[in-house]
Amino acid sequence: QKEVEQNSGPLSVPEGAIASLNCTYSDRVSQSFFWYRQYSGKSPELIMSIYSNGDKEDGRFTAQLNKASQYVSLLIRDSQPSDSATYLCAASNSGGSNYKLTFGKGTLLTVNP
Amino acid sequence: EAGVTQFPSHSVIEKGQTVTLRCDPISGHDNLYWYRRVMGKEIKFLLHFVKESKQDESGMPNNRFLAERTGGTYSTLKVQPAELEDSGVYFCASSLTGGLTDTQYFGPGTRLTVL
Repeated sequence: QKEVEQNSGPLSVPEGAIASLNCTYSDRVSQSFFWYRQYSGKSPELIMSIYSNGDKEDGRFTAQLNKASQYVSLLIRDSQPSDSATYLCAASNSGGSNYKLTFGKGTLLTVNP
Repeated sequence: EAGVTQFPSHSVIEKGQTVTLRCDPISGHDNLYWYRRVMGKEIKFLLHFVKESKQDESGMPNNRFLAERTGGTYSTLKVQPAELEDSGVYFCASSLTGGLTDTQYFGPGTRLTVL
């Protein structure tokens, strides 16, 4: 069973702090990794994608990938109350030329003012 | 540019009834995906269309589910007859190329409740 596991949360951080979200995956052939943010009742929205080992930064967000450890993380610097949402980690691979996403259950993040 | 739209946003039906969900992808996106999230579980893949063809339907739970994408534009997902365990949020996503680095854009979902 190909799985993506996320730290269960919920995670609560004060405004201005760094929020750290973690994810592991079991399928070694996974090639692409995505972090989606989902506000309650809304559609998942892509905030970061990462395909190579190392760090990728975009504004306050940094995604980290370690394929040897099968580990993906998302760091949110200077957390804001508007960052409060569920964060979904997803992986995909090219099996059968179909890049379907395998999701984790999500981590609920609350940023307290 | 309009995003992925889904209709209805909510549907409440009784066990044994039929329900049809609709998804309109972003214009020009050949790839259309259906996913489902049941309560307490992760979002799971159901199937993938490339234009009007089913590329992968390995995630479809059983033959009570029928997806179509006539003309390669909008898609429908019919559940007939609905069972209690079909309750959940059904998401549709679309993407341009379906490639390794392609972004899947999600719709707001249809919340289906089977009583």
